[in-house]
Parts: sequence; C-alpha cells; structure tokens
Amino acid sequence: DQQVKQNSPSLSVQEGRISILNCDYTNSMFDYFLWYKKYPAEGPTFLISISSIKDKNEDGRFTVFLNKSAKHLSLHIVPSQPGDSAVYFCAASVGRDDKIIFGKGTRLHILP
Amino acid sequence: DTAVSQTPKYLVTQMGNDKSIKCEQNLGHDTMYWYKQDSKKFLKIMFSYNNKELIINETVPNRFSPKSPDKAHLNLHINSLELGDSAVYFCASSQDWALGLGKVSTDTQYFGPGTRLTVL
Repeated sequence: DQQVKQNSPSLSVQEGRISILNCDYTNSMFDYFLWYKKYPAEGPTFLISISSIKDKNEDGRFTVFLNKSAKHLSLHIVPSQPGDSAVYFCAASVGRDDKIIFGKGTRLHILP
Repeated sequence: DTAVSQTPKYLVTQMGNDKSIKCEQNLGHDTMYWYKQDSKKFLKIMFSYNNKELIINETVPNRFSPKSPDKAHLNLHINSLELGDSAVYFCASSQDWALGLGKVSTDTQYFGPGTRLTVL
C-alpha cells in the first residue's frame, strides 16, 4: 500500500517555464513533507520541506504547496533551468519520527 | 504486493554487536541501493549493486559489508556496531536499461520502509 504517490513517472518542461511536480498521500497522520532531488549515481539531496501547519513554503525558485484536505502537495519550479533536470522524490513523515516514506519519484526533463 | 521490503523495521542493539539488515525487491529490478539517513534532510548513498555486482561504494567504514546473493536481495551486514551507526537505513531499487552506447539508470526508485537502528 503506497502511502506517498507520485503518479507521473516523467515530466518534460521547456526551459524558462514553470515545472509542477505533484504528490498525493494517504496517511492523514503525516505532518511533515519533503522534496528531494536526485542526479544519476548520487543519493537524493534535500530540496525543500513544509510542515502541515503551513500551506506554502518558498525558497528561491522552489515553492511547495500543501493542500491538507486533498492530501496533495506540489513542487513548483519557476523558472525552470537545465540544471533542474533530475528525479524528484516526494516524502512524508509523522511527528518527530525520523522515518520518512518516499514516493517513487518523477523524472523532470528541462527542454532547451 | 510489497515492492521493496526490509527486515527488521526496528533494531535495538548494544555497541560492539554484529547485525544484519535484509532487503528484498519483487519488481525484477536490476539495481539496488543502501542509504543512510542521518536526519530528515540528509540521505547518504552507501552502496549500489547492479545484477549482484557492486557499482557504487561510497566512503563507508569497512565494518559495513553489503551482500547480494541474487539480484532481488541486497543485505547489509554491520560489524562492531558503534553509537554513530544509529540512523535509519533505507534500501531502494531501480530498473536499469541500456541506451545505445551506455547504460543509464532510470533513477526512479522504489524505497523500502526503512530500518531504524539504535545502538546503545
């Protein structure tokens, strides 16, 4: 039973446009959400996070939106750049528990 | 229909002991990984195996030894456990394919549920 779902395995976006990566979750106990970025042959690196007490968190070109009622979060990248081409993982955790549950990732291709 | 499973999910042990964490994937993937999560934000790759062969071996103490009896399994054995080994360990798998001249990993990975290791 997948608790964190990324239903799009891949996404292609023109350079300069907005990239929107989506993530759905099923466990209503999740209260902390993270996005990781992964390049080939490397481990995922932390990108941005959001606590359930917020509905938006912004860091430079990256913004994460959380819709608790829909159990949905999204990562917006504006403007998209070639270096953003990577696999993005959505993850979630409950309270202070450090264990996080990963989605299976979405590969983002930024087209020139 | 668990895709990637790890056992045990929780492991509490004394310093100096030897322990193993097992990982199995039923996806038919060629590549498996072990990661160490030191904090929620920091996930470090330790090892990667492709078709039972070691392809990534990051700077990890040699007390950590991965073993892949077949491509569906990648176990992690840890000797002489230390306090600093306490962390959550994630196993993951992905499907590789050959594209023309070279092999490229899809990098879309299925993660296991994690094993919380606590060393006392």
